[in-house]
Amino acid sequence: RKEVEQDPGPFNVPEGATVAFNCTYSNSASQSFFWYRQDCRKEPKLLMSVYSSGNEDGRFTAQLNRASQYISLLIRDSKLSDSATYLCVVTVYGQNFVFGPGTRLSVLP
Amino acid sequence: NAGVTQTPKFQVLKTGQSMTLQCAQDMNHEYMSWYRQDPGMGLRLIHYSVGAGITDQGEVPNGYNVSRSTTEDFPLRLLSAAPSQTSVYFCASSSPPGEQYFGPGTRLTVT
Repeated sequence: RKEVEQDPGPFNVPEGATVAFNCTYSNSASQSFFWYRQDCRKEPKLLMSVYSSGNEDGRFTAQLNRASQYISLLIRDSKLSDSATYLCVVTVYGQNFVFGPGTRLSVLP
Repeated sequence: NAGVTQTPKFQVLKTGQSMTLQCAQDMNHEYMSWYRQDPGMGLRLIHYSVGAGITDQGEVPNGYNVSRSTTEDFPLRLLSAAPSQTSVYFCASSSPPGEQYFGPGTRLTVT
């Protein structure tokens, strides 16, 4: 089983839609959790950290479920500019970042 | 601040050639790492360093060497290039447990 798993998609949604991605991780010792965004042929960039209590940043909401070992990302009111690949990232032992394969989102006009 | 810089942006090698991918950061981060990204595989860790003079292997280290003589620089050496090493290579730095900052990537083709 891979350490971090994501549905690769693609998720094709119309503008204004709400879309949710899940990510599961296998190592119960995982300590920190992040969502990164990667545009085509560019470097990944941090979208948001994921905290135990859940957190929100504008249209984006991230949640962590340690018991079930998954994290989620909810995007409300999707924009064309949200089209990208979303990478789930966990850190183990506070140092190594383990990346999921990514979920591709296309927001359609 | 330039952040994380990588050179070259593109490179074509013949099988058996060697080369060094350069990576530098100006954020005084202790942790640096090299990843390769292949279609459908996500980012895979090649080597990482938790400080000057300290390096360790990641998930896919074979065929690559690294060294960390300064905090700023973390070069990746391909010893004898193979077509299986055709990929996009990203260097990243961080100050744990914070976010990783990535360089723009090097697109390598081995023929």
